[in-house]
Amino acid sequence: QQQVKQSPQSLIVQKGGISIINCAYENTAFDYFPWYQQFPGKGPALLIAIRPDVSEKKEGRFTISFNKSAKQFSLHIMDSQPGDSATYFCAASKAAGNKLTFGGGTRVLVKP
Amino acid sequence: NAGVTQTPKFQVLKTGQSMTLQCAQDMNHNSMYWYRQDPGMGLRLIYYSASEGTTDKGEVPNGYNVSRLNKREFSLRLESAAPSQTSVYFCASSETQGAFNEQFFGPGTRLTVL
Repeated sequence: QQQVKQSPQSLIVQKGGISIINCAYENTAFDYFPWYQQFPGKGPALLIAIRPDVSEKKEGRFTISFNKSAKQFSLHIMDSQPGDSATYFCAASKAAGNKLTFGGGTRVLVKP
Repeated sequence: NAGVTQTPKFQVLKTGQSMTLQCAQDMNHNSMYWYRQDPGMGLRLIYYSASEGTTDKGEVPNGYNVSRLNKREFSLRLESAAPSQTSVYFCASSETQGAFNEQFFGPGTRLTVL
């Protein structure tokens, strides 16, 4: 039972384009939604995170959009760069004291 | 600061063999975690330790055991390896077990069971 579903599995975008990754969750008790970035041969690292009291959070070229009623959230990478080529994981968690549940991951390739 | 370190980086086992994956963190974090990463499955929690002296099962604990040796070290043991345990294993740590605490990951151990 996959509680966090992520799509697409892979994505190819041209340099300067927008990458969009979508996640949907089932558990309405989730209230923390981080995104992790993983480069080949490395462990994941926190990229950006959002809580459901806001609908959008932006950090540089990375934006999370959150739709509580639809139980969906997405990551937008604006002006995508070759250095953004990585695997991105969405995740979700309940209130403090619980564990992260990860989506299946999206492999993003940015072509120069 | 080395952050989270894992040994070994690569390992090949035969079915039925045992081994221990080692993890250490130098950030004085209270909580530590073991995940496995399989294609299309994301990261799945095997075991975690909210604080020194405690351990709890995660989503996929069968076939594994853990030991929180001290605040710095958290090991994962496979008693009788099976091909289904072929995966990349990541150790992570966080300041506490709170949902809003960033988890810091090690570089991973790539394990193949033949």
